[in-house]
Amino acid sequence: NAGVTQTPKFRILKIGQSMTLQCAQDMNHNYMYWYRQDPGMGLKLIYYSVGAGITDKGEVPNGYNVSRSTTEDFPLRLELAAPSQTSVYFCASSYSKAGSKLFFGSGTQLSVL
Amino acid sequence: GDSVTQMEGPVTLSEEAFLTINCTYTATGYPSLFWYVQYPGEGLQLLLKATKADDKGSNKGFEATYRKETTSFHLEKGSVQVSDSAVYFCALSDPQGGSEKLVFGKGTKLTVNP
Repeated sequence: NAGVTQTPKFRILKIGQSMTLQCAQDMNHNYMYWYRQDPGMGLKLIYYSVGAGITDKGEVPNGYNVSRSTTEDFPLRLELAAPSQTSVYFCASSYSKAGSKLFFGSGTQLSVL
Repeated sequence: GDSVTQMEGPVTLSEEAFLTINCTYTATGYPSLFWYVQYPGEGLQLLLKATKADDKGSNKGFEATYRKETTSFHLEKGSVQVSDSAVYFCALSDPQGGSEKLVFGKGTKLTVNP
């Protein structure tokens, strides 16, 4: 029972490089989320999706893009990496609205140097 | 907008000590309240939840009571163990207030020493 799988676990980028953080869930959840976690700042919502083909911005969407072509996958794209994007990124999913339980992946630690 | 305020950490306790982590919230509607726990190197896991006033959520010896009059959801455990060392996040969802997403507090790091 895999749950929410994120890859890679660690990555170092140079300023201006691009990358995609992968997220997949095998629970047939409609709702998926991307959060970033900065030290001492809790979690901030980047983007979320309520189903395949539907995405919406969260609190801190600038510098990121997402797509949701299938129920299972919700990749997060960084086009021009900046030092301010150094953070730990978590993908999460839930069966319905946020009032239901969120299942989190184990995170991607990203450093932009 | 909706917000969650947790007590500042870090918190360091000895094994078998009593734990309280304070959490207060601001919400437009009638939110559901949650405590999530993050063990070192892992993602967050739901610890407990409460969906209406006076509800008590409990799990693994942890408890929290939804207090509407004080807008609080404090986390308590009577006797902590070393294995409880983690970061604890209070969170709310408030669909009636226009927010279908979880709003998290900043987290409180707990270290329990043997």
